[in-house]
Amino acid sequence: RKEVEQDPGPFNVPEGATVAFNCTYSNSASQSFFWYRQDCRKEPKLLMSVYSSGNEDGRFTAQLNRASQYISLLIRDSKLSDSATYLCVVRTASKLTFGTGTRLQVTL
Amino acid sequence: EPEVTQTPSHQVTQMGQEVILRCVPISNHLYFYWYRQILGQKVEFLVSFYNNEISEKSEIFDDQFSVERPDGSNFTLKIRSTKLEDSAMYFCASSTSRDRGYEQYFGPGTRLTVT
Repeated sequence: RKEVEQDPGPFNVPEGATVAFNCTYSNSASQSFFWYRQDCRKEPKLLMSVYSSGNEDGRFTAQLNRASQYISLLIRDSKLSDSATYLCVVRTASKLTFGTGTRLQVTL
Repeated sequence: EPEVTQTPSHQVTQMGQEVILRCVPISNHLYFYWYRQILGQKVEFLVSFYNNEISEKSEIFDDQFSVERPDGSNFTLKIRSTKLEDSAMYFCASSTSRDRGYEQYFGPGTRLTVT
């Protein structure tokens, strides 16, 4: 089983749509959870940390279910600028483990 | 907004040569990291560094690799004898502390091409 598993997509959605990404992780000892976004040939940029209570940052909502080892990201009112690869990331000790990413393409 | 910087942006080297990749982490950060991303693949952890010593390293980080903080601002990754399979984007990252779950901020990367 992969350490962090994501649907690679691509997800093609029109502007204004709501889109959800899911991720599962295998290491129950993982301590922190994040969503990063990565544009083509650029560095990963931290989008948000993910907490068990769920957290929201503007149009973005993230959720963590530790029992199921499942992380989600919801993007509402998609913008063209949201087009990127979304990386599910877990931290164990000092190491970040990345998923392969889910590609999102927002179209007019 | 403070950011991690890396130099050079692109390095081309011949197989067997030594390369040093340089990073300037965010100034009040205490933890430093190197990751790599082979084209088309996921980001992979190499090493973490805290208080002038390696905290953790991956299987990729073998004897050919070393890290150093030569002064108060720079953090370097050295590859002693490069191989073709070392061609990748190398990202430096830094984080402040266990507060905020060690959120790591990445530099723009150095693209290493080994010929």
